[in-house]
Amino acid sequence: DAGVTQSPTHLIKTRGQQVTLRCSPKSGHDTVSWYQQALGQGPQFIFQYYEEEERQRGNFPDRFSGHQFPNYSSELNVNALLLGDSALYLCASSSPGQGQDTQYFGPGTRLTVL
Amino acid sequence: DAKTTQPPSMDCAEGRAANLPCNHSTISGNEYVYWYRQIHSQGPQYIIHGLKNNETNEMASLIITEDRKSSTLILPHATLRDTAVYYCIVRLHTTGANNLFFGTGTRLTVIP
Repeated sequence: DAGVTQSPTHLIKTRGQQVTLRCSPKSGHDTVSWYQQALGQGPQFIFQYYEEEERQRGNFPDRFSGHQFPNYSSELNVNALLLGDSALYLCASSSPGQGQDTQYFGPGTRLTVL
Repeated sequence: DAKTTQPPSMDCAEGRAANLPCNHSTISGNEYVYWYRQIHSQGPQYIIHGLKNNETNEMASLIITEDRKSSTLILPHATLRDTAVYYCIVRLHTTGANNLFFGTGTRLTVIP
């Protein structure tokens, strides 16, 4: 039973560029949540996707957008990258509509913005 | 916003029980207590959760006080691999309102 997977593992971009991060949920899960973790801080909630729509959103600007595909996988897009976007980006999956409320996390994508 | 208070750091001798406290005095009746841990630069790992009753699984035990205002995560026989940041989180099981609010957690160091 595959857990949550994320790609790529590491990524280096320059200011102003755009980036796309990918997440495949745990088998049987239909809900994907994205978190940003800056160095030395706890993860912060970005948004959650269910049925290919954004269902919840944290306090992040519109530069952060996402998408969920029919197979429940998801992408996180960040436009006009800033130095402060350097962080570990975490994806978590769950299936609350089926009573599986626990979120399971992937290994993360380390984004460095130069 | 995080609604829990945890000590910033703790040490535990290898082989001894690690008891990690968490205060959640404003918890509501339908909020669950969740514990995750994060080993350096990895994704958070789910440990255990509970609502009112004490819970135990293969990783740990969760003791919730009767008034539910605090809880303790117990690792019965700590090993060096248990060195991590431990997060205590309270959350609902409500569709559309179940994201996790992480605080700064407790950094547990297991000493040989």
